[in-house]
Amino acid sequence: AQSVTQPDIHITVSEGASLELRCNYSYGATPYLFWYVQSPGQGLQLLLKYFSGDTLVQGIKGFEAEFKRSQSSFNLRKPSVHWSDAAEYFCAVGARAAGNKLTFGGGTRVLVKP
Amino acid sequence: DTAVSQTPKYLVTQMGNDKSIKCEQNLGHDTMYWYKQDSKKFLKIMFSYNNKELIINETVPNRFSPKSPDKAHLNLHINSLELGDSAVYFCASSSRTANTEAFFGQGTRLTVV
Repeated sequence: AQSVTQPDIHITVSEGASLELRCNYSYGATPYLFWYVQSPGQGLQLLLKYFSGDTLVQGIKGFEAEFKRSQSSFNLRKPSVHWSDAAEYFCAVGARAAGNKLTFGGGTRVLVKP
Repeated sequence: DTAVSQTPKYLVTQMGNDKSIKCEQNLGHDTMYWYKQDSKKFLKIMFSYNNKELIINETVPNRFSPKSPDKAHLNLHINSLELGDSAVYFCASSSRTANTEAFFGQGTRLTVV
């Protein structure tokens, strides 16, 4: 069975500083990996995805993530955080063999200090 | 031109009532899902339909019954609502044939009192 762990429940970062959110997954085959962002009271918006190919993936809003098979990780990064990046971030693994269902991590809440 | 739309956005109801949440997608996707987000923000899949056929049915009480009248719609009916059903319910869609990511609706916040 697939699973996703996001070790950090909360992260506080100063505006303009860099951000890294950790994600570790467990899956028996090559995973499909995703990062979604949820602003308060909103739905989930896709930031980026990894299906295959280049292990460094660029997404929207200046985010990037790197797939490291040896570490079973897919960490999300942003070089310079803006106040509007304050939100809940979810890492997910998708299983094509299981109807493309997504298994989500517990989420990381990002707070941005002025 | 909303891609995945859910109605209603908010739903407050008493215990024991029956309620439905509707979902529609205009992306031409062949697969639709219902996810539940609990009070701790944890997201878990409930159901998935592919071309109107149920393909995923996680451990969900029988009081929850999805219905897909066509590929663009997936509704969720809940009987005999309980306090523990209070959550945010998200509809999503994707294309299995084109192997796309899932697109989510804005969610329906269900509060059972």
